[in-house]
Amino acid sequence: SQTIHQWPATLVQPVGSPLSLECTVEGTSNPNLYWYRQAAGRGLQLLFYSVGIGQISSEVPQNLSASRPQDRQFILSSKKLLLSDSGFYLCAWSAPRGSYNEQFFGPGTRLTVL
Amino acid sequence: AQSVSQHNHHVILSEAASLELGCNYSYGGTVNLFWYVQYPGQHLQLLLKYFSGDPLVKGIKGFEAEFIKSKFSFNLRKPSVQWSDTAEYFCAVNAQNSGTYKYIFGTGTRLKVLA
Repeated sequence: SQTIHQWPATLVQPVGSPLSLECTVEGTSNPNLYWYRQAAGRGLQLLFYSVGIGQISSEVPQNLSASRPQDRQFILSSKKLLLSDSGFYLCAWSAPRGSYNEQFFGPGTRLTVL
Repeated sequence: AQSVSQHNHHVILSEAASLELGCNYSYGGTVNLFWYVQYPGQHLQLLLKYFSGDPLVKGIKGFEAEFIKSKFSFNLRKPSVQWSDTAEYFCAVNAQNSGTYKYIFGTGTRLKVLA
């Protein structure tokens, strides 16, 4: 069966520090991968998605970037965190390109920037 | 651009009351529609989905939703809610043949069921 992992679960970082959040998927190949930020009352904001290694689509211009170095690994990064980057970050996967299906979500990372 | 609107941000019901949560989307083409639920402290999980066929779809835990194409709506219903249905509910849309694999989510509805 497929599983999705995210770490760390919680993170407290100072303003101006770098960020790296990791997401890995097991039990599937060529998944579509997604990073969302969830804020209370604002739902899920799609940040990035990827349909393959090295292929990243950015949805919202901001202080973050994403990379997909391996088929089932998706990384969210920042060189210098801002206070406004605080939030709950969710990774998700869906079936490979060419098919449409539901998304499966990871447990999320709660990021607090101080 | 695609968008999803959920009209009710907070809903409070007593147990056994009926539930209907509204969801409207904007996209002129063929869509896939989803409702997700997030119970307190748990992952987002799929409640039900519509791809094609019968516009009335049934999901887990007694939930159902009806796709009304003419109204661009996909409302979620449950005839009798339970305390355990307390959660946040999200409607989502994926546009077929759009050339992208994006899922657009609504802002969510927080449901509280009073015992």
